[in-house]
Amino acid sequence: ELKVEQNPLFLSMQEEKNYTIYCNYSTTSDRLYWYRQDPGKSLESLFVLLSNGAVKQEGRLMASLDTKARLSTLHITAAVHDLSATYFCAVEEDGGGADGLTFGKGTHLIIQP
Amino acid sequence: DTAVSQTPKYLVTQMGNDKSIKCEQNLGHDTMYWYKQDSKKFLKIMFSYNNKELIINETVPNRFSPKSPDKAHLNLHINSLELGDSAVYFCASSHWAAGMVYNEQFFGPGTRLTVL
Repeated sequence: ELKVEQNPLFLSMQEEKNYTIYCNYSTTSDRLYWYRQDPGKSLESLFVLLSNGAVKQEGRLMASLDTKARLSTLHITAAVHDLSATYFCAVEEDGGGADGLTFGKGTHLIIQP
Repeated sequence: DTAVSQTPKYLVTQMGNDKSIKCEQNLGHDTMYWYKQDSKKFLKIMFSYNNKELIINETVPNRFSPKSPDKAHLNLHINSLELGDSAVYFCASSHWAAGMVYNEQFFGPGTRLTVL
């Protein structure tokens, strides 16, 4: 059974600081997704990482994938309040086809002025 | 235009009742999913449908039954509702075919189900 672990699960940080969210998974996969969820809202796709060494950046967020270590990171640079949300990583198992994604438990991020 | 839509947004009902949640996507996708998000925000796949065929069915009670009248719709029917069914249910869709590189899923707004 595929397991996806995120840490930390809760993160309170100040604006302008940098931090990293980690996502480990238990089986081979080279397809990893990051989603953002605001309170009471749906999930918004942030990044799709498709190969070992993939790195994608959007604004103050940068995601990377190391398939050998089965690890993805979401790095936040110079955080701003608008980035406060819950961030999920999700893994698509090799050969999973149309199977659903397996999600981590989410990282609840609060950015304070 | 809303890509993936769900109705209703909120559903409050008594234990033992039967209810349905509807989902529609206008993205032309061929695979649709239902996820359950519990009170701790943990998301778990319940079902997926590809070209109107059930692909997976996780350890979900048979009180839950997905019904897909066509590729654009995947409804969730729940019989004999229990307290533990209270959660937010998300519909999602994607385009998947054998050999596809990836399977990015797009989520609906969610239906918050409360069973009293």
